[in-house]
Amino acid sequence: GNSVTQMEGPVTLSEEAFLTINCTYTATGYPSLFWYVQYPGEGLQLLLKATKADDKGSNKGFEATYRKETTSFHLEKGSVQVSDSAVYFCALFSGGYNKLIFGAGTRLAVHP
Amino acid sequence: NAGVTQTPKFRVLKTGQSMTLLCAQDMNHEYMYWYRQDPGMGLRLIHYSVGEGTTAKGEVPDGYNVSRLKKQNFLLGLESAAPSQTSVYFCASSYGYMNTEAFFGQGTRLTVV
Repeated sequence: GNSVTQMEGPVTLSEEAFLTINCTYTATGYPSLFWYVQYPGEGLQLLLKATKADDKGSNKGFEATYRKETTSFHLEKGSVQVSDSAVYFCALFSGGYNKLIFGAGTRLAVHP
Repeated sequence: NAGVTQTPKFRVLKTGQSMTLLCAQDMNHEYMYWYRQDPGMGLRLIHYSVGEGTTAKGEVPDGYNVSRLKKQNFLLGLESAAPSQTSVYFCASSYGYMNTEAFFGQGTRLTVV
């Protein structure tokens, strides 16, 4: 079946450091891939998405590239801020299964 | 512009009690989902619906039932609550097409004692 695997957290960084959160997936066909972010006490909200191989999603300085050959969708940001502290979820939607599947989430803590 | 609204936001139940969580969306979305979020386990899909009158099981459906009698509402029921159902529950909705995002409610924190 479809699944998403994320690197375990927490990830702790100093402000302005480079961020990478790894995400790999298993899916049949050609899923769409997403990164969602959850700030403390809130629901999830979409951060970025990519719908086909080699697409790059970007938003708020975050980027992720859909790599079909490595079945990966790693999240990156060149310079993190304290306000980026949150839990980040990688997700996929496979049309054949009509389900939105999430990874376990990675908690990011950024310190001044 | 309400988006996805969940009620209640907090609830404490005794073991064996029943309750219904309500999810309402005003975006005319076809797809609706119920997830539970537990520490270290991310979001796990309980049940979902691809349209009015339809429901399907997700990863962890046991102990829960759902109904989608109206397109805008998706109800999650616990017939006999157990401590293992202590969790934060999230409802989400989407148009259901491959490239569209899901919108989430604020969550319901349920404690079963």
